Amino acid sequence: DARVTQTPRDKVTEMGQEVTMRCQPILGHNTVFWYRQTMMQGLELLAYFRNRAPLDDSGMPKDRFSAEMPDATLATLKIQPSEPRDSAVYFCASGLVDYSGHNYGYTFGSGTRLTVV
Amino acid sequence: DAKTTQPNSMESNEEEPVHLPCNHSTISGTDYIHWYRQLPSQGPEYVIHGLTSNVNNRMASLAIAEDRKSSTLILHRATLRDAAVYYCILYSPGSGGSNYKLTFGKGTLLTVNP
Repeated sequence: DARVTQTPRDKVTEMGQEVTMRCQPILGHNTVFWYRQTMMQGLELLAYFRNRAPLDDSGMPKDRFSAEMPDATLATLKIQPSEPRDSAVYFCASGLVDYSGHNYGYTFGSGTRLTVV
Repeated sequence: DAKTTQPNSMESNEEEPVHLPCNHSTISGTDYIHWYRQLPSQGPEYVIHGLTSNVNNRMASLAIAEDRKSSTLILHRATLRDAAVYYCILYSPGSGGSNYKLTFGKGTLLTVNP
């Protein structure tokens, strides 16, 4: 089965440092998502792209988070500067959405567990 | 976004069927019902989706009420590997290309007893 690959799997960093998380979506998928999961808030949508164009990043703290898709095989989520409250598991997902907006299931990666101390 | 309501937790025994309910009384005519599950320490996993008719796949069955205000995910023979949080999500394709997101609620934590 095709997989969404996320790196790194785990990241521990000090407050104030820059963190970059990477995602390789499944080849042929045209929609890519970034989610964050914490015990308190559950799964929250941060941003998503269609055909590499950002569609919605309203879930992201704009002053410190940025999401990009430099090419079809790479999506990045950057936090600068990081804060302890950013500690969470960050998931990338990809899927194929057709011209009428239907999707047939999104595939999630295994996540990046971020700890900011 | 239209809202879904699921029980916080359910328990079942191994090799018995499990019926996971979901209420979505404000569902609109274009909303699809999607189910995902999240195994411990993993990302969510797509299970099944449907619009009006019941659906079957290798993982589960989805039974949709005639008025579409509720649905039930059916695991025909639960295994220990099915222990997970199950999310029922309404997905509306919409138009204009701006509504492809999935909004996750708290889901149902399914415990499977050996």
